[in-house]
Amino acid sequence: KAGVTQTPRYLIKTRGQQVTLSCSPISGHRSVSWYQQTPGQGLQFLFEYFSETQRNKGNFPGRFSGRQFSNSRSEMNVSTLELGDSALYLCASRTGESTEAFFGQGTRLTVV
Amino acid sequence: GENVEQHPSTLSVQEGDSAVIKCTYSDSASNYFPWYKQELGKRPQLIIDIRSNVGEKKDQRIAVTLNKTAKHFSLHITETQPEDSAVYFCAARTRGSQGNLIFGKGTKLSVKP
Repeated sequence: KAGVTQTPRYLIKTRGQQVTLSCSPISGHRSVSWYQQTPGQGLQFLFEYFSETQRNKGNFPGRFSGRQFSNSRSEMNVSTLELGDSALYLCASRTGESTEAFFGQGTRLTVV
Repeated sequence: GENVEQHPSTLSVQEGDSAVIKCTYSDSASNYFPWYKQELGKRPQLIIDIRSNVGEKKDQRIAVTLNKTAKHFSLHITETQPEDSAVYFCAARTRGSQGNLIFGKGTKLSVKP
């Protein structure tokens, strides 16, 4: 059974640009959550999608957005990138009814 | 919203000693408390979890305790080994299965041979 897959693994972007990250959940998992991981701040919740609808949202500015497709794959978009957006972005999937969340390897975003 | 505090931020122990990491949560409606281990350069992986209707759970050298009244839960690792060295995150979920996980800021555990 394939795990959660995130692409790309690494990205370097310039301030002001936008970026799109992708997450393919485990087959059968309908919930995808996104987290930002930075040193000292741990894992900060961005948002969760379930059956193509945003079900929960964290305290991030509107520059951070996401969506989910009918095959449960999810994308996260960050517009007008800032230096402080440099982080490891992790997604996690679960079936929706169960509680265990499985993480992807993450996308390392560097903003220069 | 839910807030999870985790202590200590770093912990160094000798191989064979025990390690304890503590977390507190703010939302009394939280009912699921997982612990994740993240090795350097790798994804977080679930090592143990506990639900609010249980006070303690063990899995070999790892145990988790939950005090709902005080709103805190702890991870206990006995007979630590160098491969236990990693960052450990606690988390809490509210609103049943539809809630999202809120994580603590992590504890970097170092086990010295």
